[in-house]
Amino acid sequence: IAGITQAPTSQILAAGRRMTLRCTQDMRHNAMYWYRQDLGLGLRLIHYSNTAGTTGKGEVPDGYSVSRANTDDFPLTLASAVPSQTSVYFCASSDSGGRADTQYFGPGTRLTVL
Amino acid sequence: GQNIDQPTEMTATEGAIVQINCTYQTSGFNGLFWYQQHAGEAPTFLSYNVLDGLEEKGRFSSFLSRSKGYSYLLLKELQMKDSASYLCAAMDSNYQLIWGAGTKLIIKP
Repeated sequence: IAGITQAPTSQILAAGRRMTLRCTQDMRHNAMYWYRQDLGLGLRLIHYSNTAGTTGKGEVPDGYSVSRANTDDFPLTLASAVPSQTSVYFCASSDSGGRADTQYFGPGTRLTVL
Repeated sequence: GQNIDQPTEMTATEGAIVQINCTYQTSGFNGLFWYQQHAGEAPTFLSYNVLDGLEEKGRFSSFLSRSKGYSYLLLKELQMKDSASYLCAAMDSNYQLIWGAGTKLIIKP
């Protein structure tokens, strides 16, 4: 593994189903982030984690949950998917969450909720 | 509120120079980032400015004016591979990035 990986690459999901998007980084970065990207809008922060064991809410957290059991993994869960959660989801990481460090992005997961 | 504005789309000719502007309003300011994003791919880091002035990095340069809440990305000697979206993002007082919607740059031969 080099950098950040995300799985799955794409997924079509029925509304009401539960889904977990996976994100793993091997850079030993302390901070990790989940964004969604929708056409015509900027990236919007869903949840973040400044260090293993802690998480925080971003701009659009409703309907999503995260956990950070260790440094490398930061899964995003949709408890009961709705069509408005159709989007491209990017995971990112940075050396620290408390200073102006560059964020590095995974390849993204394209999610369609029907 | 927090806001980032940048043009939706720009067109330029191969070999030419293009300037992509960005204005920002954030609660506190810890720097301005530019990212490049090719269609269907992840954003990749281009530049970071926190002090006023111009930072040059090869064919790409980035400028910041904190007093005006303004930045631009300058791309010289345009190549076809520069066709992409360019994302402006300002870091607020909580060290969170506020993103613009991106500028789609189309390069014509």
